[in-house]
Amino acid sequence: DIQMTQSPSTLSASVGDRVTITCRASQSISSWLAWYQQKPGKAPKLLIYDASRLQSGVPSRFSGSGSGTEFTLTISGLQPDDFAAYYCQQYNSYPWTFGQGTKVEI
Amino acid sequence: QVQLVQSGAEVKKPGASVKVSCKASGYPFTSYDINWVRQAPGQGLEWMGWISSYYGNTNYPQKFQGRVTMTTDTSTSTAYMELRSLRSDDTAVYYCARASRYSGNLDWGQGTLVTVSS
Repeated sequence: DIQMTQSPSTLSASVGDRVTITCRASQSISSWLAWYQQKPGKAPKLLIYDASRLQSGVPSRFSGSGSGTEFTLTISGLQPDDFAAYYCQQYNSYPWTFGQGTKVEI
Repeated sequence: QVQLVQSGAEVKKPGASVKVSCKASGYPFTSYDINWVRQAPGQGLEWMGWISSYYGNTNYPQKFQGRVTMTTDTSTSTAYMELRSLRSDDTAVYYCARASRYSGNLDWGQGTLVTVSS
């Protein structure tokens, strides 16, 4: 199985900050990577797919980059609505696997 | 708009089975697959498996093989996930998601809380 390792586990930031979350795959997954946002008590929401493609309706302050084994999610200009947990997921091969998550807190 | 509406919360005893439903609307049901993902209290997301809505074939991680069955009813655009021999560590919120091989889990159901307790 492909292991996905996210860092950091928790990130403290302020409104307006630029925030970067890293996701590493244990083997190459090409660009088959998605990023999700999850708020407490809610279902996850797709932000980025194909490593860098913004899902329709997602604000442009979210961006993704990377390929192979190293990926980043960047939030440029953190907004109050962005304080949440973020997960990466590889869908290169089964079983699809998630990173352990990054909580972005104030 | 795309909607995935799941069945309500369940309380089960250890050793029992649970079957969660996920009714899809707003898109051609057989054009997308369905993934099931669970989340234990305070924990991360765990992928439970995939079913092709068109062909009905499935893929389950080894952890759940023999204990989970995913099915679909194309006549009602509904997907089902049955988990058997429930244990206390199966207590979690179970999500269905509309999935694409090329873009991951596009849309998610609201989640179904399954509590396993004696």
